Amino acid sequence: QVQLVESGGGVVQPGGSLRLSCTASGFIFSDYCMHWVRQAPGKGLEWVALIWYDGTNKYYADSVKGRFTISRDNSKNTLYLQMNSLRAEDTAFYYCARTRAAALHYFDYWGQGTLLTVSS
Amino acid sequence: EIVLTQSPGTLSLSPGERATLSCRASQSVSSRYLAWYQHKPGQAPRLLIFGVSSRATGIPDRFSGSGSGTDFTLTISKLEPEDFAVYYCQQYGTSPTWTFGQGTKVEVK
Repeated sequence: QVQLVESGGGVVQPGGSLRLSCTASGFIFSDYCMHWVRQAPGKGLEWVALIWYDGTNKYYADSVKGRFTISRDNSKNTLYLQMNSLRAEDTAFYYCARTRAAALHYFDYWGQGTLLTVSS
Repeated sequence: EIVLTQSPGTLSLSPGERATLSCRASQSVSSRYLAWYQHKPGQAPRLLIFGVSSRATGIPDRFSGSGSGTDFTLTISKLEPEDFAVYYCQQYGTSPTWTFGQGTKVEVK
């Protein structure tokens, strides 16, 4: 069955960096576009970033543009999110999710999330 | 940017009752691009409905979606114990971008 498992969350000081990972199984990873979506405590869901199935195209929310970098390694079935210059407002659960390139408009599977806390 | 407003914020109902959740968009949304998700604490969000009214794989038929333009509705015909959760609507816009409503919590009365 489809599984997406995030890891790498933790506590980081403001201005610090962290890399999140999402390991996929149960489907052909290289066939799917992958996303990061986050949820701050007590808030709704916010889309963060998209990477095309082959890594050729990447898109970011304005709130993270220039600070976060999405990447993938299709040989390892793994998605990454490199987060730099972290701010308190980046504190959130981070979820990876997939979409088909031909059906970008909805996320059909999600992971359970990993928690990032930015605090001094 | 299209803003999605969900109402009510919280819906207090008993098992067996009907739940009607609303999602209103600040501008017209293509019917193809409106989806609904269920989210329980500590779990992965789950796709329920895409394209306004198409049920995702494995979703029971007590869940249904409707609407057009700026007004969309998720209906749960008869609440089961496992349906108590937070529900989000989501739209896709060109850029590309994805936006979510703030959620409706369906809780046990």
